[in-house]
Amino acid sequence: DTGVSQDPRHKITKRGQNVTFRCDPISEHNRLYWYRQTLGQGPEFLTYFQNEAQLEKSRLLSDRFSAERPKGSFSTLEIQRTEQGDSAMYLCASSRVGNQETQYFGPGTRLLVL
Amino acid sequence: AQTVTQSQPEMSVQEAETVTLSCTYDTSESDYYLFWYKQPPSRQMILVIRQEAYKQQNATENRFSVNFQKAAKSFSLKISDSQLGDAAMYFCAYSSDKIIFGKGTRLHILP
Repeated sequence: DTGVSQDPRHKITKRGQNVTFRCDPISEHNRLYWYRQTLGQGPEFLTYFQNEAQLEKSRLLSDRFSAERPKGSFSTLEIQRTEQGDSAMYLCASSRVGNQETQYFGPGTRLLVL
Repeated sequence: AQTVTQSQPEMSVQEAETVTLSCTYDTSESDYYLFWYKQPPSRQMILVIRQEAYKQQNATENRFSVNFQKAAKSFSLKISDSQLGDAAMYFCAYSSDKIIFGKGTRLHILP
């Protein structure tokens, strides 16, 4: 299976700790997206990359959040000084370049901040 | 700003029957794409069907079809011959680059 993969699938952390999530996109996809989904809601856009360039960031992405895609392949999303409100599912998606291209989603990383 | 509204938080349908999920959206763009995604419990989001806004013909994928009314900004999903495996959260989504999702409709299939 060569779909989008995310690691870890689950993360429990204490408030104030830092966490980092990884996303590996489909290999030929240039675009990579991060979304956050809270319980009972649809996913909300956080940021996206085209190759290694971060092209857009949502206002939801506070200064405690940082995302990177250093070589234009996998991406990491780091949350510093986690808060209970950060508890959510973090979804990664990838696509080819072009607004008409379908985004394919990974299984997500479920974060619980205690 | 673009918005997507799904007015039905939950729906139920008898197995083998047909069900329609509603979605409206708001945008000032002329070139965009609409999607229905399915998210089964504890499983990942998968694409059900997509529609290009410039196409007048409604998209179909096997038992799934859409009714796209561009002027009304309406994009409903019809599932025919409902199966137990169709039970999931269904999200309507709009995209001109990033995706904007509705809040979802939870679909129950009654045996």
